[in-house]
Amino acid sequence: NAGVTQTPKFQVLKTGQSMTLQCAQDMNHNSMYWYRQDPGMGLRLIYYSASEGTTDKGEVPNGYNVSRLNKREFSLRLESAAPSQTSVYFCASSEQETGGQYFGPGTRLLVL
Amino acid sequence: GENVEQHPSTLSVQEGDSAVIKCTYSDSASNYFPWYKQELGKRPQLIIDIRSNVGEKKDQRIAVTLNKTAKHFSLHITETQPEDSAVYFCAARSFGNEKLTFGTGTRLTIIP
Repeated sequence: NAGVTQTPKFQVLKTGQSMTLQCAQDMNHNSMYWYRQDPGMGLRLIYYSASEGTTDKGEVPNGYNVSRLNKREFSLRLESAAPSQTSVYFCASSEQETGGQYFGPGTRLLVL
Repeated sequence: GENVEQHPSTLSVQEGDSAVIKCTYSDSASNYFPWYKQELGKRPQLIIDIRSNVGEKKDQRIAVTLNKTAKHFSLHITETQPEDSAVYFCAARSFGNEKLTFGTGTRLTIIP
């Protein structure tokens, strides 16, 4: 049982490049989330998916798109990366009934 | 929407002493309150949670208390150890809401 996994662990992009961050969970959770965490800051919700086939905006959705590919996988796409998107990105999943969210190990993204 | 305030932002405690971190929430419909621990460079990890039908919950050296009337909840760590040094985040979730609202975090340092 791997829990929540994320790829890649680390990525360097140039301004304007695109990339997709991958997330998968094997806990049969319905809900999945994408957060960003800037140095010394808290967690800010980018997008979430309450169930397969649905996605909703969080606090900071601009510049990002998401896809809930199936119950296990939830990807985050940066179409045209900007230096302001330099951050650590965490994926999380939870059961709707219990509410506790479980986080992946994170992706460190540097946009030059 | 929900607003969660967390205090203090930093806390230094002598090893062996107790540490208390407090959070207040604004939405009286909130019914689930988890606490997360994040060590440097690592993912946030769920350490304890409490639901609105319970006033206190303990797990070894950590405990959480909830005062629904005053809309605040607290994390208590007793007999602190160096490995307790981390950033701690509180969060709240309203019934029927898939999102957690996080506090801004408390950096706890245990002084040997």
